[in-house]
Amino acid sequence: DVKVTQSSRYLVKRTGEKVFLECVQDMDHENMFWYRQDPGLGLRLIYFSYDVKMKEKGDIPEGYSVSREKKERFSLILESASTNQTSMYLCASGFSDRKYFGPGTRLTVT
Amino acid sequence: DQQVKQNSPSLSVQEGRISILNCDYTNSMFDYFLWYKKYPAEGPTFLISISSIKDKNEDGRFTVFLNKSAKHLSLHIVPSQPGDSAVYFCAASVSSGSARQLTFGSGTQLTVLP
Repeated sequence: DVKVTQSSRYLVKRTGEKVFLECVQDMDHENMFWYRQDPGLGLRLIYFSYDVKMKEKGDIPEGYSVSREKKERFSLILESASTNQTSMYLCASGFSDRKYFGPGTRLTVT
Repeated sequence: DQQVKQNSPSLSVQEGRISILNCDYTNSMFDYFLWYKKYPAEGPTFLISISSIKDKNEDGRFTVFLNKSAKHLSLHIVPSQPGDSAVYFCAASVSSGSARQLTFGSGTQLTVLP
């Protein structure tokens, strides 16, 4: 079974803090993704990576950056957290069209 | 501009009856479509998919129909069970492009009443 794990299920941070969300997959997938899920908006792609040290912007990259130093690990970084970044963050990995998602991190920025 | 739209945010169905979830898309370049199911506090899980060369794909109680001319797909669940209660997302992708990005709809909350 494919396993995608995320470092935290719930996180509360203050405005202006730097936030790291970690994601690890165990299936040797080349492609990894970060989405955020908001009510009424579905899942929106923030960034993705198709290889180590490679990254591409998704639909809503503003305010975020990513790091992929190892194949199995993909990190999402909020350089200076803002309240509008309060959301559910979902990491995924996969090949072709099928994506495998982690359980999500519910981030609250106060 | 949402390229994949699920216009019904919620749907309630009686146990044993058919659930029909709908999805519309605007990008004619989409050639692969998927449905994901999401329970609270869990990540979405893949349910069923269909390629644009087909108009129907069936997997047990789940059938996905694709109408390319109408740019419309639907997911039928027969018979519906209380355990099917979840948020259902449709998603679409284009053959070209790196990493086969998925574009998701906003989701439909299905509630199956016992």
